[in-house]
Amino acid sequence: RKEVEQDPGPFNVPEGATVAFNCTYSNSASQSFFWYRQDCRKEPKLLMSVYSSGNEDGRFTAQLNRASQYISLLIRDSKLSDSATYLCVVRGGGGSQGNLIFGKGTKLSVKP
Amino acid sequence: EAGVAQSPRYKIIEKRQSVAFWCNPISGHATLYWYQQILGQGPKLLIQFQNNGVVDDSQLPKDRFSAERLKGVDSTLKIQPAKLEDSAVYLCASAWGGGQETQYFGPGTRLLVL
Repeated sequence: RKEVEQDPGPFNVPEGATVAFNCTYSNSASQSFFWYRQDCRKEPKLLMSVYSSGNEDGRFTAQLNRASQYISLLIRDSKLSDSATYLCVVRGGGGSQGNLIFGKGTKLSVKP
Repeated sequence: EAGVAQSPRYKIIEKRQSVAFWCNPISGHATLYWYQQILGQGPKLLIQFQNNGVVDDSQLPKDRFSAERLKGVDSTLKIQPAKLEDSAVYLCASAWGGGQETQYFGPGTRLLVL
């Protein structure tokens, strides 16, 4: 089983749509969880951290279910500028406290 | 505040040649990471430095890859000799510390091995 698994997509949605991405992770000792955004031919950038209580940042909502080892990202009212690859990221448990483990990413394309 | 700088941005070499990449982290960041991102994959950690010491190089193919951060600031990653499967983007990231701090990525070096 891969450490972090995501549906690669692509997700093709119209402007204004709501889209949800899911992610599962294998290491129950993982401590921190994130969503990164990566535009085409650019570096990854932190979109938001994910907390057990769920957290929201504008149109973006992230949820974490530790029991199921499942992370989600919901984007409401999609904009053209949301088109990017969304990477699910887990900070490894155990001794490598700082290490980030990335999923393959889910590609989102928002169309007019 | 200046971000993480990397050079070159692009490099094309033939297999069995050598190549080196350079990274200058954000000023004051103690921790520096090198990642390899193959097309269609997420970044994979190659090596982590804390100041000038190696914290984790468990995923670095040490028969051909080497990295150093001699003065605890900028860093170089070398591949010698390169293989076709080394074609990837090499991303450098830095963070204030080595624990839970946010990592900031540079623009990457895109390597093509022919």
